[in-house]
Amino acid sequence: DGGITQSPKYLFRKEGQNVTLSCEQNLNHDAMYWYRQDPGQGLRLIYYSQIVNDFQKGDIAEGYSVSREKKESFPLTVTSAQKNPTAFYLCASSIQRDSPLHFGNGTRLTVT
Amino acid sequence: GQQLNQSPQSMFIQEGEDVSMNCTSSSIFNTWLWYKQEPGEGPVLLIALYKAGELTSNGRLTAQFGITRKDSFLNISASIPSDVGIYFCAGRTGGATNKLIFGTGTLLAVQP
Repeated sequence: DGGITQSPKYLFRKEGQNVTLSCEQNLNHDAMYWYRQDPGQGLRLIYYSQIVNDFQKGDIAEGYSVSREKKESFPLTVTSAQKNPTAFYLCASSIQRDSPLHFGNGTRLTVT
Repeated sequence: GQQLNQSPQSMFIQEGEDVSMNCTSSSIFNTWLWYKQEPGEGPVLLIALYKAGELTSNGRLTAQFGITRKDSFLNISASIPSDVGIYFCAGRTGGATNKLIFGTGTLLAVQP
């Protein structure tokens, strides 16, 4: 079955540690995205990538980093510089930038 | 920045009732998307709208792209318990900005 796989589902980290969230898609989509979801707010874009080896900052990129070495994979690193890292993180992909987004099932990160 | 107002914030209804929710903005959009998110899962695309005035159905769901291109609504007819979830709208701006902006969501609870 084609889809977007995010792992792990739940992640716990101590403050000051970097953590990497995985996102893999087998939909052959060119574009991939990372969003952050906080209670009562709309999804906010962290980073996006339109093609391999290229990515752009979204609205809230500070404290995050990404890579896009393969079409299928778009990992997100939450660094110790991110002030409020505890959140639900959603990865998405689309055929191209203007196409509807398809989402993974998210990773809930808790930093204490 | 651009904002998308989604209302109502929450709805508590009886099974069998019809539901209506909408999103409005001061900005013009060239695409409207409607998603449903269940607890602990990623949003799932319900309906995509691409033209002003477009009316599209997906089973018991109907969505319309407003004539002014600044609003969209989603109707659910004859609600059932599995309709429970958070419904998000998303509008894509055109031109150079080409940004996808998400509403804050409508929480729907359906009592059997």
